[in-house]
Amino acid sequence: GQNIDQPTEMTATEGAIVQINCTYQTSGFNGLFWYQQHAGEAPTFLSYNVLDGLEEKGRFSSFLSRSKGYSYLLLKELQMKDSASYLCASMDSNYQLIWGAGTKLIIKP
Amino acid sequence: GAVVSQHPSRVICKSGTSVKIECRSLDFQATTMFWYRQFPKKSLMLMATSNEGSKATYEQGVEKDKFLINHASLTLSTLTVTSAHPEDSSFYICSSGGRGDLNIQYFGAGTRLSVL
Repeated sequence: GQNIDQPTEMTATEGAIVQINCTYQTSGFNGLFWYQQHAGEAPTFLSYNVLDGLEEKGRFSSFLSRSKGYSYLLLKELQMKDSASYLCASMDSNYQLIWGAGTKLIIKP
Repeated sequence: GAVVSQHPSRVICKSGTSVKIECRSLDFQATTMFWYRQFPKKSLMLMATSNEGSKATYEQGVEKDKFLINHASLTLSTLTVTSAHPEDSSFYICSSGGRGDLNIQYFGAGTRLSVL
């Protein structure tokens, strides 16, 4: 079956670095996505990885290892506004997104 | 990224009424749109894939007569929740994209439906 696993909740300190891990098993693979979702709002696109390696975009970076079915989202210099849920999603061979349940990130001062 | 407009943002209605939700892609032609629902603290659940000019493809367990989807143009898809009941109360979100533009889906702001 198809499955996405990511931690339910993580806590980090303002100014620090946090890594949110995601493992996936999908029928075929057309990329790994990370979205940010603030409470009560729709998801917003953060990153897309289709090849192995690290993609850096400002304070956020995303890593992919296709052989391991593994990705992580790295957030640096954490700010209070980064408190949100982070959704990992894998796109299968039918170009359908398979979503994880999301990781709620709590930032403490 | 692409801009997707979704209206209304919030609906409160009586049980038995029908509610229409609109999703517009403002700056590109979306041949495919997706409709999701999300319960509190749960992940997104794909309800259906809407293709312009053809019938929507519904996911298993989603009643097509209950959730009517129309995608009559390249910029507009609508979801109508017919004869809404309290259990239909949820957060409904549309997205466009999925092919081309690196397969990225861009989401509307979502519609929070509360059925009394």
